[in-house]
Amino acid sequence: AQTVTQSQPEMSVQEAETVTLSCTYDTSENNYYLFWYKQPPSRQMILVIRQEAYKQQNATENRFSVNFQKAAKSFSLKISDSQLGDTAMYFCAFMKPITQGGSEKLVFGKGTKLTVNP
Amino acid sequence: DVKVTQSSRYLVKRTGEKVFLECVQDMDHENMFWYRQDPGLGLRLIYFSYDVKMKEKGDIPEGYSVSREKKERFSLILESASTNQTSMYLCASTVPHAVIYGYTFGSGTRLTVV
Repeated sequence: AQTVTQSQPEMSVQEAETVTLSCTYDTSENNYYLFWYKQPPSRQMILVIRQEAYKQQNATENRFSVNFQKAAKSFSLKISDSQLGDTAMYFCAFMKPITQGGSEKLVFGKGTKLTVNP
Repeated sequence: DVKVTQSSRYLVKRTGEKVFLECVQDMDHENMFWYRQDPGLGLRLIYFSYDVKMKEKGDIPEGYSVSREKKERFSLILESASTNQTSMYLCASTVPHAVIYGYTFGSGTRLTVV
């Protein structure tokens, strides 16, 4: 079974600075997908960024980027120019694609609570 | 926009009550999920469904059941609520074999059992 580990329960950063959230995972699969979700105080889970394991290039979405190290099974999220609105819980998640009936399931880490200070 | 709507944002129930948590999605998604979210434990999968009347157990199904009579609606049932089921419950949906899109989540129901 796959597991996802987020080793930082809480982090804080000053506005406009850069912060990196860590995530490691354990799997024997070669093809899979990794995600970072954001959950602000409104509780709505928002997809921040995703990475296909077969792609060597790190995914980037505006101020958010990942450092994907497949051999090390590491998937960290970097937030540049942090904004007050980035304050949220961040969850790392793993998904293995399936080829037949059923459903792909997301396996989540325990989350990192990020606070951006003014 | 895809919408996943959970009928209650906050719910308070008494121990032993039968509790229904409702989730409706409006994008014809085949797959629907119920997760439980607790501080320090992240999100844990309770049940999921990949078709009408189909259901499969997740990682923590004990004390819960589900119902999916229509494609758009997926209900989580607590047959006899207990205080250890006080938690945040999140519903999600997705299209099968569309892994790249991830899930669409509802806004959650915070259930308190007293």
